[in-house]
Amino acid sequence: QVQLQQWGAGLLKPSETLSLTCAVYGGSFSGYYWGWIRQPPGKGLEWIGEVIPSGGTNYKSSLKSRVTISLDTSKNQFSLKLTSVTAADTAVYYCARGGNPANWGSVGRGGFDFWGQGTMVTVSS
Amino acid sequence: DIVMTQTPVSLSVTPGQSASISCKSSQSLLHSDGKTYLNWYLQKPGQSPQLLIYEVSSRFSGVPDKFSGSGSGTDFTLKISRVEAEDVGVYYCMQGRHLPRTFGQGTKVEIK
Repeated sequence: QVQLQQWGAGLLKPSETLSLTCAVYGGSFSGYYWGWIRQPPGKGLEWIGEVIPSGGTNYKSSLKSRVTISLDTSKNQFSLKLTSVTAADTAVYYCARGGNPANWGSVGRGGFDFWGQGTMVTVSS
Repeated sequence: DIVMTQTPVSLSVTPGQSASISCKSSQSLLHSDGKTYLNWYLQKPGQSPQLLIYEVSSRFSGVPDKFSGSGSGTDFTLKISRVEAEDVGVYYCMQGRHLPRTFGQGTKVEIK
C-alpha cells in the first residue's frame, strides 16, 4: 500500500520561505505525477502544482512566481518551496500522488489517489 | 481557470436515504483521448481527502458501490445511496482535464 508522509516547519513569519517534504513508501515512485494541494482554515481545497515524471512542473498561475516543486528520486521524495509567505498562505498543506501518464489507470489525468496526512502551516508575525 | 460549481453547499440526509450532489464545470472536461477527467473526493472530519470516483463514474479501489458518478461534458452528479453516519464529511469535485486543476467549493453532508 502506498503511503505518503510529509513534514516541514509549521510556523513561519511573513516573508520567510515555506519548505515541505513528502516521502513515498510502497509502490513505485518513478513514472508518476506528484502534487501539492492546500486548504486554508475552514475553506476548500486549492491545487498548488505538480511535478511530472520528467521533473517538469505545472503550477497555479497566481503562485508561479513563488513556488517550486521538485523531485528527489534517490530518496523517493518530493518537496514544495513557497517563498515570501504571507498570512494568506496559512493553510493545511497536503502532498498527493497523481497518475501515471503511461497508463492513467485508476486515478485518471489530473487526479490524486494517495494523500499525505497534511501539515498545518501558520504564517504570523 | 476552469470554475467548478457544486450544489448544494450543504445537505442533511436521513440515514438510509439517498443524496445527490451536482458539479458543473465552466468548460467541457472531455479530453481528445475520449475520456472525461472529473473526480470526486470525500474529506471526512479531521482527515485528508480520499478519492471516491475518477473519470466521472469509475470507483476507486475499495470504494463501495453505494457511491456512483454520472454525467458528461460540463454537468456531473455524485449519488450516495443508503447514507450512513460514516459518509458524513465534505465532498469535492475536481477537474483534471485542464491546467490548473481546480476543485469545487465543496458540499457538506451531514446526518439528520
